[in-house]
Amino acid sequence: EAQVTQNPRYLITVTGKKLTVTCSQNMNHEYMSWYRQDPGLGLRQIYYSMNVEVTDKGDVPEGYKVSRKEKRNFPLILESPSPNQTSLYFCASSLWRSTDTQYFGPGTRLTVL
Amino acid sequence: DAKTTQPPSMDCAEGRAANLPCNHSTISGNEYVYWYRQIHSQGPQYIIHGLKNNETNEMASLIITEDRKSSTLILPHATLRDTAVYYCIVRVVETSGSRLTFGEGTQLTVNP
Repeated sequence: EAQVTQNPRYLITVTGKKLTVTCSQNMNHEYMSWYRQDPGLGLRQIYYSMNVEVTDKGDVPEGYKVSRKEKRNFPLILESPSPNQTSLYFCASSLWRSTDTQYFGPGTRLTVL
Repeated sequence: DAKTTQPPSMDCAEGRAANLPCNHSTISGNEYVYWYRQIHSQGPQYIIHGLKNNETNEMASLIITEDRKSSTLILPHATLRDTAVYYCIVRVVETSGSRLTFGEGTQLTVNP
């Protein structure tokens, strides 16, 4: 089954404790991205990657890091999480040169205390 | 990306057609209209997209006005499982990436 998976689905952590949210897709998509969703602000793009070893900032990259060492994986790293990063996070992937239908993962609900 | 305007909420009876409007009066000639939906904090799900012709797939139909300043998503026979937030997005298909700018969308509630 074609899908985007994220882990963990739920996470409660404390300020300053480094964490990684994993994202993996099995559709051989070149393009992957991370969004966060907050009430009243909609979904906002954090980072995206057009291919292996190619990443770029989205609209709200501050406080986040990503890496793309393999085509299928695109982890989101919070080196020193803060309470304002409490949010619902979605990973998405798509082909690059198509009409860009994005497939979204199930989401990770992160709470930073 | 062009700004879109959608009603915040709509209701529909189960089995009836749900018609969700979207205004995008500043749309440019090379911008596509996309529709996604999000069911209760799940990941957004692609529904349909189009440029200027009407489109239909197994999920829905998309009607785009001739001047392209508005569109309507039609769910022909709404079911309770279609209750979701529906997002209308207008964007350019570009080679530099696939940013989708989501607004607040329309909360569609399908009633039994």
